[in-house]
Amino acid sequence: EVQLVESGGRWVQPGRSLRLSCAASGFIFGNYVMSWIRQAPGKGLEWVASIGGSTYYADSVKGRFTISRDNSKNTLYLQMTSVRDEDTAVYYCAKDMQQMAYWGRGTLVTVSS
Amino acid sequence: DIVMTQSPLSLPVTPGEPASMSCRSSQSLLHSNGHNYVDWYLQKPGQSPQLLIYLGSTRASGVPDRFSGSGSGTDFSLRISRVEAEDVGVYYCMQVLQTPLTFGGGTKVEIK
Repeated sequence: EVQLVESGGRWVQPGRSLRLSCAASGFIFGNYVMSWIRQAPGKGLEWVASIGGSTYYADSVKGRFTISRDNSKNTLYLQMTSVRDEDTAVYYCAKDMQQMAYWGRGTLVTVSS
Repeated sequence: DIVMTQSPLSLPVTPGEPASMSCRSSQSLLHSNGHNYVDWYLQKPGQSPQLLIYLGSTRASGVPDRFSGSGSGTDFSLRISRVEAEDVGVYYCMQVLQTPLTFGGGTKVEIK
């Protein structure tokens, strides 16, 4: 059974850094593209980044966030730097970049002074 | 960037009746391979999104056949043949043709 479990979300002040993790199980992690999608409170879904052989970013996070993975640990990461109020959201990790059939439950990041 | 526009914003439905919603893209999502690169997701209240339809019209595994996707190019629709109470939530279309991947704003389906 495919499982994705996000962690690392917390309250953080603007301008600071934070790293999110997504622990994957139930599939051969290294064989798949992985993605981060976020949802601000009461808002819609926003794609953030994906990683396969290359990395891809939304313009809103390019240069501030870094997606990475450790295939030996079956873990996906999102390093968030210079966070802003508008980065406040639930962050989901998802398997694949298209046909995202598996999502985690999400981890909440709150950016506030 | 490709802009995805969904309508209506809100869709009151009656159980047992059909329901339909629309998604339009600012650029064609039809690839040269003949596939339309649009996915549909349902986010039920308090839950993570779940995949319903991919490549415009292919139902994901385990999705009831009352859900169907259609359309090509820039105009797409999701139809529920007979709405059930468990179908309430927000439906999102998403283009996966090119980065940045973009979602529509969502259509909220609620029971009348």
